Amino acid sequence: AQTVTQSQPEMSVQEAETVTLSCTYDTSESNYYLFWYKQPPSRQMILVIRQEAYKQQNATENRFSVNFQKAAKSFSLKISDSQLGDTAMYFCAFMKHGVNYGGSQGNLIFGKGTKLSVKP
Amino acid sequence: EPEVTQTPSHQVTQMGQEVILRCVPISNHLYFYWYRQILGQKVEFLVSFYNNEISEKSEIFDDQFSVERPDGSNFTLKIRSTKLEDSAMYFCASSYGQGRTQYFGPGTRLLVL
Repeated sequence: AQTVTQSQPEMSVQEAETVTLSCTYDTSESNYYLFWYKQPPSRQMILVIRQEAYKQQNATENRFSVNFQKAAKSFSLKISDSQLGDTAMYFCAFMKHGVNYGGSQGNLIFGKGTKLSVKP
Repeated sequence: EPEVTQTPSHQVTQMGQEVILRCVPISNHLYFYWYRQILGQKVEFLVSFYNNEISEKSEIFDDQFSVERPDGSNFTLKIRSTKLEDSAMYFCASSYGQGRTQYFGPGTRLLVL
């Protein structure tokens, strides 16, 4: 069974600075996807960034980037130029790559989350 | 930009009552999911649905739960006889295909008294 571990329950960062949230996972799969979702106080789940395991290049989305280390099973999220609106819970999630069309490999497995506070 | 919607946003019910949570997935998506998040805990998978049938369900998704796509747009989660421990945020999600990004709705906050 796959597991996702986020070892930092809470973090804080000053506005405009950079912060890195860590995530490790355990799987025997070779093809999979990794995600970071953001959950602000409204509790809606918002996709931040996505990484395909077969891609060596780290995904980036504006101020958000990942450091994907497949051998180490590590998937950290870097937020540059932190903004007050980045204050939220951040969840790392794993999804197996579906083999059979219509099969059942699409469910996300989440970590426990990291609560990020951006301070002015 | 298309989005997943959920109704109601909040629901309060008495223990033992039936509740139906509704979701409208993104229109061209083919895979539908329900997740729940008990307050302060991580998001947990409940069930996935494709081609009008359940693809996979977790241990949480017992006989008290059922899902349905009654028409071309709605996707519902029914809890037949609610328990106190069913109090949680319930998220619907949809994706275009396997391995594609799942987009979440805003959630329904269910409180069972």
